[in-house]
Amino acid sequence: SAVISQKPSRDICQRGTSLTIQCQVDSQVTMMFWYRQQPGQSLTLIATANQGSEATYESGFVIDKFPISRPNLTFSTLTVSNMSPEDSSIYLCSGRDQETQYFGPGTRLLVL
Amino acid sequence: GENVEQHPSTLSVQEGDSAVIKCTYSDSASNYFPWYKQELGKRPQLIIDIRSNVGEKKDQRIAVTLNKTAKHFSLHITETQPEDSAVYFCAASSMNRDDKIIFGKGTRLHILP
Repeated sequence: SAVISQKPSRDICQRGTSLTIQCQVDSQVTMMFWYRQQPGQSLTLIATANQGSEATYESGFVIDKFPISRPNLTFSTLTVSNMSPEDSSIYLCSGRDQETQYFGPGTRLLVL
Repeated sequence: GENVEQHPSTLSVQEGDSAVIKCTYSDSASNYFPWYKQELGKRPQLIIDIRSNVGEKKDQRIAVTLNKTAKHFSLHITETQPEDSAVYFCAASSMNRDDKIIFGKGTRLHILP
């Protein structure tokens, strides 16, 4: 099974600033994804991180707001740009191997 | 796109009784149905999954059933224990297409002493 880590685990940011979240998988995975989870709610897919090319965004999410990189099979970053209080949430990285999809511990973001 | 509905949103059962959570999906191309358990402040953890070529799968106290015709699938937990208290998410995915997993809204399960 894959073990996924994220940095930072939490952060408090001022509105208008940007935060980059890093995701590291301990083994190669075929797919990597970024989700957002509001407290007490379900997981909403932001985008699929594609290795070496632009991410595939879901409806309601755009590259200018959530730029994503995936330079190799085990690492990805998500940037939350020009933050507002509405961006306060938990951001989870996820990776899928042949059989199973695993999740990172999440990054808890509070925007003031 | 895929839409996953999950019921109930909250479920309370007496310790030792059974719990059942039901989900429906909309995309007939979906062929992979995982269930995740999320404890407070923790990451979602896969507890069981089922693929479309199987109607039922069991792992100790947990079982999942799938009805592809009706686009229904359900999670059954027997002999519930306090540590089963958590939020459970069903999900659906087409492993042959875009591999996205779409989640239901979750069921908060309370095991009563």
